[in-house]
Amino acid sequence: QSVLTQPPSLSAAPGQKVIISCSGSSSNIGNNYVSWYQQLPGTAPKLLMFENNQRPSGIPDRFSGSKSGTSVTLGITGLQIEDEANYYCETWDDSLRAVVFGGGTMLTVL
Amino acid sequence: QVQLHQWGVGLLKPSETLSLTCGVSGGSFNSYSWTWIRQAPGKELEWIGEVNDDGGTLCKSSLKSRVTISLDTPKKQMSLRLTSVTAADTAVYYCARTASSGGSHSDAYMDVWGKGTTVTVSS
Repeated sequence: QSVLTQPPSLSAAPGQKVIISCSGSSSNIGNNYVSWYQQLPGTAPKLLMFENNQRPSGIPDRFSGSKSGTSVTLGITGLQIEDEANYYCETWDDSLRAVVFGGGTMLTVL
Repeated sequence: QVQLHQWGVGLLKPSETLSLTCGVSGGSFNSYSWTWIRQAPGKELEWIGEVNDDGGTLCKSSLKSRVTISLDTPKKQMSLRLTSVTAADTAVYYCARTASSGGSHSDAYMDVWGKGTTVTVSS
């Protein structure tokens, strides 16, 4: 069971908007910044968002991040077929003294 | 552009030692931490541990007794050793560069990843 909880799967049509949630606790999300990673099938994860809502260069502004208390969300607008991937949230856990990941959300664009 | 290249033995028998190396090209080696992550087939990402540019290490508690992560700064390489492997250690192993604006774990993120090395443990 992952320390951070994400919905296992979501689906939406091209052009639509989707929000992926990630919930944790005061020892992880509540007290630390969160990153998001996109993993296309058969490839390594790629940094999508850091410090809750900062996009690395090259990541389009269709992707956005927000945080409230012990939960974060990743928003994707104008969905494209190539957005179909697994999305993982990640942060530091003060109690475990370890990096923790969510269980991942498989996004299907159909 | 920074790239991480990974190599190591991909097929092991139970009780053997996993040994992987990650080399850095095209960028600075200092001022970053270097992290190992693995992903069992069909499973989520799992943090194994990290080494900072001073050589200090931190590992997941459940793996700590079997894991060694080390740095070779002149060669711009880091290594992972995992002893006494079992089938449960079968996974794709990734190395990643960890950056931090404030220099702490609180705001750290993995901004460059290697392509991954598939490790299978089977008798």
